[in-house]
Amino acid sequence: ETGVTQTPRHLVMGMTNKKSLKCEQHLGHNAMYWYKQSAKKPLELMFVYNFKEQTENNSVPSRFSPECPNSSHLFLHLHTLQPEDSALYLCASSQRDRTNYNEQFFGPGTRLTVL
Amino acid sequence: DQQVKQNSPSLSVQEGRISILNCDYTNSMFDYFLWYKKYPAEGPTFLISISSIKDKNEDGRFTVFLNKSAKHLSLHIVPSQPGDSAVYFCAASARYAGNNRKLIWGLGTSLAVNP
Repeated sequence: ETGVTQTPRHLVMGMTNKKSLKCEQHLGHNAMYWYKQSAKKPLELMFVYNFKEQTENNSVPSRFSPECPNSSHLFLHLHTLQPEDSALYLCASSQRDRTNYNEQFFGPGTRLTVL
Repeated sequence: DQQVKQNSPSLSVQEGRISILNCDYTNSMFDYFLWYKKYPAEGPTFLISISSIKDKNEDGRFTVFLNKSAKHLSLHIVPSQPGDSAVYFCAASARYAGNNRKLIWGLGTSLAVNP
């Protein structure tokens, strides 16, 4: 595997379900991100992990719970979601250092539908 | 309030001609700009970038121009090829809270290159 991978690619869940999205990066990067892409909206940054520590949470509801066990893996745990949470969820990684301007490498995304 | 604006949701050009995609921004703190390309069912992929200290950066068929006084940048693709048909996102990077950086995204422009 190369680059950034995400599983599953598609997920349909009910509002009472609990599911998890998985992201893995094979680039040796030290920062990972979760984004949400909804129709007619710009990419919305949800969470940032830098060296496995969460450094940013953009006022994301608690029904989304991230987990970063190591610098290569990132999870997004989902529970009691709402239909408006249906979107494309993208994972990205980057190498953060003093000279890096935050060029991010993205996975293919998980298309989530909440019924 | 959108800090990065791509006012044309779509653009159609003939193969071999020039494609010009535009992006405007409002925050003068942005010091680095990136263009990403996205095919359906894939994540965005990095295309080309430009630092605010430059006004032009060229990479093969792709050239990005930056006009800081107008807070405007554009991506030129010449000659355009059918494989360039994709959604193009403009993103701007700013430093905050020490050495942290954030990417702010536009809504994207869907480019169709017709054979």
